Amino acid sequence: DSGVTQTPKHLITATGQRVTLRCSPRSGDLSVYWYQQSLDQGLQFLIQYYNGEERAKGNILERFSAQQFPDLHSELNLSSLELGDSALYFCASSVEGGGTSTDTQYFGPGTRLTVL
Amino acid sequence: DAKTTQPPSMDCAEGRAANLPCNHSTISGNEYVYWYRQIHSQGPQYIIHGLKNNETNEMASLIITEDRKSSTLILPHATLRDTAVYYCIVRASDDYKLSFGAGTTVTVRA
Repeated sequence: DSGVTQTPKHLITATGQRVTLRCSPRSGDLSVYWYQQSLDQGLQFLIQYYNGEERAKGNILERFSAQQFPDLHSELNLSSLELGDSALYFCASSVEGGGTSTDTQYFGPGTRLTVL
Repeated sequence: DAKTTQPPSMDCAEGRAANLPCNHSTISGNEYVYWYRQIHSQGPQYIIHGLKNNETNEMASLIITEDRKSSTLILPHATLRDTAVYYCIVRASDDYKLSFGAGTTVTVRA
């Protein structure tokens, strides 16, 4: 158990819909990262938040957005869903946000999104 | 563009040491080598990381060559529960993200 929690574990929805994935980081961690894992793309970095502020962006679609709240939990919002958005979505957390050798990312169990 | 090269798959016998190679010939001075594993669609699990010295923890040992162009992850006594995809990742100290490649699928056989 990494200490990172994600809800829900599974999500099934239809094309065109909007969903919200939630992540609670490990106690004391200030950074949250979101990754997407699809069959054809592998694990890809989407976005990072550090202490409430966006810090880095990866291959995140404009239909996707995220935020980190004052209690440090984070939500990933996916809208206008397409079949190709079906994937595993992982959240990770770390104490800081990059820049030190101790900044290890710990991953949650993931949310499996199925778009029908 | 991939910074690391790993064999796509390897088998090892239960109870034996598993040696997982990784090539990172273009590694820079400020880049660390990280190893994660992913067991059947679970969240990636951190194993170990290092800069230039060999490292050991309760899970594994990391051996980095002197020129830092390659490394080996050693699982000292593989068990069936070590069956997973193992990812070798090169990450700069100022890089926020982890860039995962295809990894090595390790199958531990009884």
